[in-house]
Amino acid sequence: GEDVEQSLFLSVREGDSSVINCTYTDSSSTYLYWYKQEPGAGLQLLTYIFSNMDMKQDQRLTVLLNKKDKHLSLRIADTQTGDSAIYFCAESGRTTDSWGKFQFGAGTQVVVTP
Amino acid sequence: DTGVSQDPRHKITKRGQNVTFRCDPISEHNRLYWYRQTLGQGPEFLTYFQNEAQLEKSRLLSDRFSAERPKGSFSTLEIQRTEQGDSAMYLCASSLGTGGTETQYFGPGTRLLVL
Repeated sequence: GEDVEQSLFLSVREGDSSVINCTYTDSSSTYLYWYKQEPGAGLQLLTYIFSNMDMKQDQRLTVLLNKKDKHLSLRIADTQTGDSAIYFCAESGRTTDSWGKFQFGAGTQVVVTP
Repeated sequence: DTGVSQDPRHKITKRGQNVTFRCDPISEHNRLYWYRQTLGQGPEFLTYFQNEAQLEKSRLLSDRFSAERPKGSFSTLEIQRTEQGDSAMYLCASSLGTGGTETQYFGPGTRLLVL
């Protein structure tokens, strides 16, 4: 989706932290999501954040939201080889036009090296 | 909860043929979505249903595409007179439409290759 932008590639060493960034344009976005997609598979929901929050932590995952700059990030602590995948950021609004319609970014390919 | 399932997982067809895909959502979910994903891109919204009503269709959904959800449970997506540009992964998702998070749970997708 052209309204959601992500960097295309991230290489990280096993055990380090990964930070994946996303910017979005829809100011009415109410929920922002992170999904993970492994090769040949569907999308797996990782976490989401409501727009009135600025941080959410869930085990190794930390989501940071800067609503003023429309910037979202996902930090993965102690990155493992099993974290190698494509990560998608998505936004969902609450206007009549955008309800239920997720806008996805193009995805960030994360490669974890030993 | 068995998750969202899709059938078939892979489909190879010749240009001009019709294909039909099926999606079975999570049983208590009243909303069902279809997306298309091409290589190197994120999923693009095609259409969605609330129960059996098709509430919105994207401009991506040409006249050759039709989707149904006759009893508000499973859904089918049919592509008539397939073209090579239809080659993509077709993803189905469902959500519990409570007006809250609308978190969508995705199926494994149907990968279509049009020769």
